[in-house]
Amino acid sequence: EVQLVQSGAEVKRPGESLRISCKASGYIFTDYWIGWVRQMPGKGLEWVGIIYPDDSDTRYSPSFQGQATLSVDKSTNTAYLQWTSLKASDTAVFFCARPSRHCSGGNCFAAFFFDSWGQGTLVTVSS
Amino acid sequence: SNELTQPPSVSLSPGQTARITCSGDALTKQFAYWYQQKPGQAPVLVIFKDNERPSGIPERFSGSSSGTTVTLTISGVQTEDEATYHCQSADTSGVNWVFGGGTKLTVL
Repeated sequence: EVQLVQSGAEVKRPGESLRISCKASGYIFTDYWIGWVRQMPGKGLEWVGIIYPDDSDTRYSPSFQGQATLSVDKSTNTAYLQWTSLKASDTAVFFCARPSRHCSGGNCFAAFFFDSWGQGTLVTVSS
Repeated sequence: SNELTQPPSVSLSPGQTARITCSGDALTKQFAYWYQQKPGQAPVLVIFKDNERPSGIPERFSGSSSGTTVTLTISGVQTEDEATYHCQSADTSGVNWVFGGGTKLTVL
């Protein structure tokens, strides 16, 4: 069974740094991309970006490029989302999620949808 | 435009048919996907590739596509279907992922 378990809620001050995590199990971590989605309070879902654990190839949403950084640790099957200087507008729930994939002729490609989700991490940034 | 537009809310009674639309130029080229999200929970995929249903999703959930609009249909809606439904696709370049604003379905 695929499981994505995220780190707990965080409360930070503006300007502080933060790294939240998403530990994967139940599948080969390096075979699937893993992504992050933001949900601001009372709002819809927003795609942050995706990363391929095998080689750390990363794609960011234009809205999030330069705002946060995706990374992985293959030795622990964990994906990370980190900020160097938080803003109040970063307050949101962040979900990690695994894109599905399709394989053809021995090659596999990420599909454009998430088939497994973490439980979400609430990040609150307030002075 | 790479945006996806959904109605903010839909309300109906148990047993009625809910139709939730999602519109965007990219939908003529890209598949659409639908997620159900209940308060305090992570989203759950209910439809992929416009009209395919993942295992475990009830048959009353279906999807369709026509031009720049895709539709999630819930036939014989039940109180347990009360949730926010998000459509998702890729942009016209096929590089970036895009979500609609979400539609809150209320079953009165």
